[in-house]
Amino acid sequence: DTGVSQDPRHKITKRGQNVTFRCDPISEHNRLYWYRQTLGQGPEFLTYFQNEAQLEKSRLLSDRFSAERPKGSFSTLEIQRTEQGDSAMYLCASSLNYGSPPYNEQFFGPGTRLTVL
Amino acid sequence: AQKITQTQPGMFVQEKEAVTLDCTYDTSDQSYGLFWYKQPSSGEMIFLIYQGSYDEQNATEGRYSLNFQKARKSANLVISASQLGDSAMYFCAMRADNYGQNFVFGPGTRLSVLP
Repeated sequence: DTGVSQDPRHKITKRGQNVTFRCDPISEHNRLYWYRQTLGQGPEFLTYFQNEAQLEKSRLLSDRFSAERPKGSFSTLEIQRTEQGDSAMYLCASSLNYGSPPYNEQFFGPGTRLTVL
Repeated sequence: AQKITQTQPGMFVQEKEAVTLDCTYDTSDQSYGLFWYKQPSSGEMIFLIYQGSYDEQNATEGRYSLNFQKARKSANLVISASQLGDSAMYFCAMRADNYGQNFVFGPGTRLSVLP
């Protein structure tokens, strides 16, 4: 399977704990995106990387959140001191930036569902 | 600021019938793209169709077509010959030609196909 993969698929944690999610994009894709989706809503943009550079962060990404893509391949999203409001699906997507924007279809992973108790 | 509006929280359609899912958008950018994604209950987002702001013809992809009315800022998805497997959430999204190029998604429409 050469699609976007995410690990773990489900995470249950207690409030105040730290969690880390991993995303492996499609291998030749140079852009990687993180989104958060709460129940009944569309995905909301969190941050994106072009290769290893983090080029944009949403105001939704508080200082408890940090994302890395150290070698321009896989990415991790860490949430420190989790709160119940962090409970959501965290989606990763990747795209190959080519040609003229704005067409660059994003391919999504299956998501990591986080539940904070 | 960019915004996507989907005014139909839920839609029902009889199997084999056509259905239109509404999407309106707001942007000040001249160059932008509009996307539709399907999200089944399993959670993955599946790309369906794309329309560029400068495309003169409406996009089509199999049973999916996009009714693009630029002056009205609408990009409705038409699904022809609905199938039971089409039951899912459908999201309209936009990306504008600006720094960042992230997607802005609408709230979605839940489509239920009735046998």
